Amino acid sequence: DAKTTQPPSMDCAEGRAANLPCNHSTISGNEYVYWYRQIHSQGPQYIIHGLKNNETNEMASLIITEDRKSSTLILPHATLRDTAVYYCIVRSGETSGSRLTFGEGTQLTVNP
Amino acid sequence: DTGVSQNPRHKITKRGQNVTFRCDPISEHNRLYWYRQTLGQGPEFLTYFQNEAQLEKSRLLSDRFSAERPKGSFSTLEIQRTEQGDSAMYLCASSLLPLASTDTQYFGPGTRLTVL
Repeated sequence: DAKTTQPPSMDCAEGRAANLPCNHSTISGNEYVYWYRQIHSQGPQYIIHGLKNNETNEMASLIITEDRKSSTLILPHATLRDTAVYYCIVRSGETSGSRLTFGEGTQLTVNP
Repeated sequence: DTGVSQNPRHKITKRGQNVTFRCDPISEHNRLYWYRQTLGQGPEFLTYFQNEAQLEKSRLLSDRFSAERPKGSFSTLEIQRTEQGDSAMYLCASSLLPLASTDTQYFGPGTRLTVL
């Protein structure tokens, strides 16, 4: 699975959009970009994933560049409860099953 | 609709004792994963099952660790002769094997193990 690079920490004001970047320059054609977050002492929570196209769900939007070498997770209106470690993971799309390889993630702190 | 559940949530044991954790996946999810997370690090893969078959094991899974999923539903992770280095959060995740595309893993709350 491709390696990802994320900033170690970011701050965001409550109510503003949080834009979390991720670099994955060695991504392969069949690899998906997944985002999870982990609030302190809880299990990771799935947020969103995508292959080539931009994706949106009730939690966030995922913007993937055309060359697929980087992506941005957008939380449109951050709240204090969005304070967490956010993990960007690139994972094979093979249906044979594969592990999630977590890096160190980005600690997002939403400030009042 | 319940999520992944794990029991116990916390376990304190003395070095050398055996411990067993249980994971109940989301109903009808046929894949089940175990991960371990130490303080300040991201989760690390240990092993995974598809139905009752254990298909992959990490090098992290030493001989003291064993996992089972006897009927393809719940799973247990046993650690024998615990060591202080086994202190960690043990996370379980489940997913549904899709006909195509990729499967999404949903995590439980974890079991925090402290070895004294």
